[in-house]
Amino acid sequence: DIQMTQSPSSLSASVGDRVTITCRASQSISRYLNWYQQKPGQAPKLLIYLASSLHGGVPSRFSGTGSGTDFTLTISSLQPEDFATYYCQQSFNIPRTFGQGTKVEI
Amino acid sequence: QVQLVQSGAEVKKPGASVKVSCKASGYTFINSYMDWVRQAPGQGLEWMGMINPSGGKTTYAQRFQGRVIMTSDMSTSTVYMELSSLRSEDTAVYYCARDDVGWEDWGQGTLVTV
Repeated sequence: DIQMTQSPSSLSASVGDRVTITCRASQSISRYLNWYQQKPGQAPKLLIYLASSLHGGVPSRFSGTGSGTDFTLTISSLQPEDFATYYCQQSFNIPRTFGQGTKVEI
Repeated sequence: QVQLVQSGAEVKKPGASVKVSCKASGYTFINSYMDWVRQAPGQGLEWMGMINPSGGKTTYAQRFQGRVIMTSDMSTSTVYMELSSLRSEDTAVYYCARDDVGWEDWGQGTLVTV
């Protein structure tokens, strides 16, 4: 199974900050990496697919980069509605695996 | 628009089974695999398996092999996930999600309490 490791597991930031979350795969997954945002009591929402493609309706302050084993999610200017938990997920093969999550707190 | 509507919350005793449904609409049901993911309280997302609604082929995560059965009903565009021999550690919210390059469509989640 491909292991996905996110860092940090949590971070504290302020509105307007630039935030970067990293995700590392235990083997190459090409660009088959997705990012999700989850708020308490809600299902995850797709932000980025194929490492860097912004899902429709997602604000442009979210961006993704990377390929192979190392990926990043960047929020260029943190907004109040961005405080949430973020997960990476590989869709390269089965089993689909997720990172452990990064909680972004005020 | 695509909708995945799951069945309601369940409370089960240890050793029992639970069957959660996920009714799909807004797209051609047989054209997309469906995944099941669960989330224990305060924990991350755990992939359980997937089903091809066309034909019913399934792939399960190894840790659920022998305890989970996923099925589909093309006549009602519904997929089901049945988990047996429940234990307290199975208390979680269970989600269905339409498998694609990125999973943009998710059910609302079903809380199963053991």
